[in-house]
Amino acid sequence: EDKVVQSPLSLVVHEGDTVTLNCSYEVTNFRSLLWYKQEKKAPTFLFMLTSSGIEKKSGRLSSILDKKELFSILNITATQTGDSAVYLCAVEDRGSTLGRLYFGRGTQLTVWP
Amino acid sequence: AAGVIQSPRHLIKEKRETATLKCYPIPRHDTVYWYQQGPGQDPQFLISFYEKMQSDKGSIPDRFSAQQFSDYHSELNMSSLELGDSALYFCASATGYSGNTIYFGEGSWLTVV
Repeated sequence: EDKVVQSPLSLVVHEGDTVTLNCSYEVTNFRSLLWYKQEKKAPTFLFMLTSSGIEKKSGRLSSILDKKELFSILNITATQTGDSAVYLCAVEDRGSTLGRLYFGRGTQLTVWP
Repeated sequence: AAGVIQSPRHLIKEKRETATLKCYPIPRHDTVYWYQQGPGQDPQFLISFYEKMQSDKGSIPDRFSAQQFSDYHSELNMSSLELGDSALYFCASATGYSGNTIYFGEGSWLTVV
């Protein structure tokens, strides 16, 4: 049973478009939600979210968490071809001492010039 | 800034052989996680270590073993390799208990032929 569900699985847009990636989760002992970008190698860290309603922003990327409804969104504005990647959402379960990460299957974003 | 270092980056082995992957965490990080990501799959947690002790175990096959050494680097040993072991193996490091950002290495590509 998937603990982290991402949608859509795949998204194709043109440069300049704005995209919203969704991540819903079901983890008993939530500690944090993390967004990663993966381009044919190990994921690179984007955001860590622990509190509801506080938007985190980095350039054209932003993310927000809703702990009541158990989901997060990742927004990318003015997309560029370099944004093409798989975006992974991971939720940290504090059930184990070190907070194991549960990953979603990712959203494959393709940005056309 | 120093990142998580993994070696080798690529490895090709035959079935039934043994492989060893190494992970050097970010300096002062005492926690190491190992993940396996098969083609088109989301990362699956294998095992984690904190202060040289195994702290959590995921879907790691019995043919695999791992340990964390006194300098905090970790090695993942895989024996009796099977074709299905072909995957990207990446380790991640963090400081102390969960709640701190987990950073991933570039990954080690293992191909079993």
